[in-house]
Parts: sequence; structure tokens; C-alpha cells
Amino acid sequence: DQQVKQNSPSLSVQEGRISILNCDYTNSMFDYFLWYKKYPAEGPTFLISISSIKDKNEDGRFTVFLNKSAKHLSLHIVPSQPGDSAVYFCAAAGINGNQFYFGTGTSLTVIP
Amino acid sequence: DTGVSQNPRHKITKRGQNVTFRCDPISEHNRLYWYRQTLGQGPEFLTYFQNEAQLEKSRLLSDRFSAERPKGSFSTLEIQRTEQGDSAMYLCASSLDLSPLEQFFGPGTRLTVL
Repeated sequence: DQQVKQNSPSLSVQEGRISILNCDYTNSMFDYFLWYKKYPAEGPTFLISISSIKDKNEDGRFTVFLNKSAKHLSLHIVPSQPGDSAVYFCAAAGINGNQFYFGTGTSLTVIP
Repeated sequence: DTGVSQNPRHKITKRGQNVTFRCDPISEHNRLYWYRQTLGQGPEFLTYFQNEAQLEKSRLLSDRFSAERPKGSFSTLEIQRTEQGDSAMYLCASSLDLSPLEQFFGPGTRLTVL
């Protein structure tokens, strides 16, 4: 049973524009949500996280928005750069961080 | 390089054989996780160690899988009597108790079962 879902397998965006990656979850007990970036032949790299008590967290060009009532979160990248081209995974965890649930990933291509 | 390392990077084996993978986490990280990733899917949680104690284990993990972290440093994941369905990328990640969300992943071990 997939508790974290990313329904868009791929996304293409022009350099300089905004990239919006979406994620939905089913378990209302999750306390933390995270985004990871993955390049080919490498393991995922932690990007940004948000607590369930917040609705927005920002780190440079990356902003994560959380809508708890809709069980939906999104990652905004502004402005998008060619180096952002990678697979992005959404993940969720409980308060103790003992177990993480990942989505299936969205492949982002930023076109120069 | 002080990141998470995994060995071997690739393993090809015949069905029915046993395989063992090793993960060396970042030295001061007390949390260690194993994941499995198949094509088109995200990492799937397998098990979690805090120091040498195995605190979480996925109910999806069959009894052919066993993991250890005997001294709270490196960890091994063994798969007995491998099946073709075990073919996947096996990822290891580590983190600190103080910042458990910030997991650092290794490059993975790709297992192919013929």
C-alpha cells in the first residue's frame, strides 16, 4: 500500500522558470515530510524538510508547502537551473524518524 | 571521502545463492537504515538500527533477509536463498539522533539474481 504518492513521473521546465513538484500522502499520522534529490548512479541527497505543524519551509531557491487538510505537499524551485535536473523523491516519517516512506519519484528536466 | 560507503557496488548471483552486502556509515552517525529500490519505484524501507540495536523491521522483510550492526559501526545485510525478485538496488543511509531527518545515502549495491 503506497502511503506516499507522486503522480507525475516526469516534468520539463525552462531554465529560470518555476518548477513545482507534487506529492500526496494517505497517513495523517506522519509528522515530517522530506524531499530528496537523486542523480544517476548516486544515492538520494536530502534537500529540505517540513514539520507537520508548519505549512511552509524555505531554503534558498527551494520552498516546500504543506496542506494537511488535503494531505498534499509540493516543492517549488525558483529559479530552476539545469543542475536541478534529477529525480526528486518525496518522503514521510513519524515523529521518531525510525521509518521513512518514499514516493515513486518525479524526474525533473530543466531545459537551458 | 567521509560519506556513506557500500560494498560491493554490483553483485551478480545465481538463484538460490546467499549474498552479503556491507555498509559503512558516516563515522559519528548512530542511526543506520537499509532500503531496497526497484526500477521506477522509490526507496522501500527494510530495517533501522540505532547503534547496534535493530529497532524497526519492515513487515515486508522475509525471513531470508537478515541485517546486523554488531559494534554499532558498519552493518551487513544478508539475503539467503536469493530469488529473481530480490534483484534491486540496496541502499544504506545513516543519520544522527540530533537530526534524524537528514539521512545521508550511500551509492547502493545493485543486485542481479539470474
